[in-house]
Amino acid sequence: AQRVTQPEKLLSVFKGAPVELKCNYSYSGSPELFWYVQYSRQRLQLLLRHISRESIKGFTADLNKGETSFHLKKPFAQEEDSAMYYCALSVGGGGNKLTFGTGTQLKVEL
Amino acid sequence: GAVVSQHPSWVICKSGTSVKIECRSLDFQATTMFWYRQFPKQSLMLMATSNEGSKATYEQGVEKDKFLINHASLTLSTLTVTSAHPEDSSFYICSAVRLAGGTYNEQFFGPGTRLTVL
Repeated sequence: AQRVTQPEKLLSVFKGAPVELKCNYSYSGSPELFWYVQYSRQRLQLLLRHISRESIKGFTADLNKGETSFHLKKPFAQEEDSAMYYCALSVGGGGNKLTFGTGTQLKVEL
Repeated sequence: GAVVSQHPSWVICKSGTSVKIECRSLDFQATTMFWYRQFPKQSLMLMATSNEGSKATYEQGVEKDKFLINHASLTLSTLTVTSAHPEDSSFYICSAVRLAGGTYNEQFFGPGTRLTVL
């Protein structure tokens, strides 16, 4: 069975500092990895997916199959980045069921 | 586009009663919807996959007779919690899959329904 691990429950950084939210996964095949974000009092929404290789809101994430990681990075944190971030894994694409990590609360302080 | 709604947004019921939660895709058709459960300060756990016109597929450990899922149309899936007990109190979230027809399929999430069983 697949598993997603986010080791940090809370990550606090200062505005302008680099951010890295860690995500590791276990799955024997070739999964698709996602980052979802949930801003305060809002619904869960897709931030980015590894196959699109995009940078969204300054965030990037690279799939490292050797280390089975999909860490989320941003060079300069902004106050509006404060939110709950979930790493998720799917087998067979974004339309298939997702296995979520436990989430990391990012707090950007002024 | 791609909005998913849930109704009700919150509900309080007595132990032993049944509660129905609706999940609607407002501006697209969804042959597949998912139901998740989220405990306080915890992650989303997939309960079941709802497929239009067929029986739902439940994850291991989820009682199908307790959590009845009906996906009667391409825009509506319902989750009925039967004979609810306090341990069923939770935040229930649905998602609907929008088929992209050549690009990436994507799940869009509803705002969630807070169920409290007294």
